[in-house]
Amino acid sequence: GQNIDQPTEMTATEGAIVQINCTYQTSGFNGLFWYQQHAGEAPTFLSYNVLDGLEEKGRFSSFLSRSKGYSYLLLKELQMKDSASYLCAVRDGFGGYNKLIFGAGTRLAVHP
Amino acid sequence: DTEVTQTPKHLVMGMTNKKSLKCEQHMGHRAMYWYKQKAKKPPELMFVYSYEKLSINESVPSRFSPECPNSSLLNLHLHALQPEDSALYLCASSQPLRGSNQPQHFGDGTRLSIL
Repeated sequence: GQNIDQPTEMTATEGAIVQINCTYQTSGFNGLFWYQQHAGEAPTFLSYNVLDGLEEKGRFSSFLSRSKGYSYLLLKELQMKDSASYLCAVRDGFGGYNKLIFGAGTRLAVHP
Repeated sequence: DTEVTQTPKHLVMGMTNKKSLKCEQHMGHRAMYWYKQKAKKPPELMFVYSYEKLSINESVPSRFSPECPNSSLLNLHLHALQPEDSALYLCASSQPLRGSNQPQHFGDGTRLSIL
């Protein structure tokens, strides 16, 4: 079966660091994506991991361990505008082109 | 502003109506997708088109009928929908390369309400 788990909600303080975890069990694996989605808006791409290790992109970093079926998204120097849902998505290596399986998303609230 | 444009942004229709959702992208992507998203839930894949051919249908009811007239356009024709079909419908596009790190780019969606 396909299963992607993320915490439902998190809160953090402006200027702090937050780590959003994602664990997955999927029939295939061909990369993991993180998306940000503000309420009522389109998901926007944040990061991509296909090999183990850390990918850094400004204030955002993402880590992957394929042997553990585990990823995290690290957000540094939090800003109020970072309040959004963060979606972990695994690209299934089988069944078609670029098929993404999404986790339920983590709603992050950043407080002053 | 997103590079994938969806129209209309909002749509209210009765269960007997026929309407269409439209999606357009000019990024040269050859894969296009329809997703359904309910409130506080993740997007659920409905259809995938690759090189204008339907490659994935996730067992979607026939009251939803996709169409890809050309590489830039994707339509979703709606007929005899049910109240539970009320949701945000998202279109996305990407390169179809399986091993690529190219992400899917999403439109802002059409918020559909069925009366």
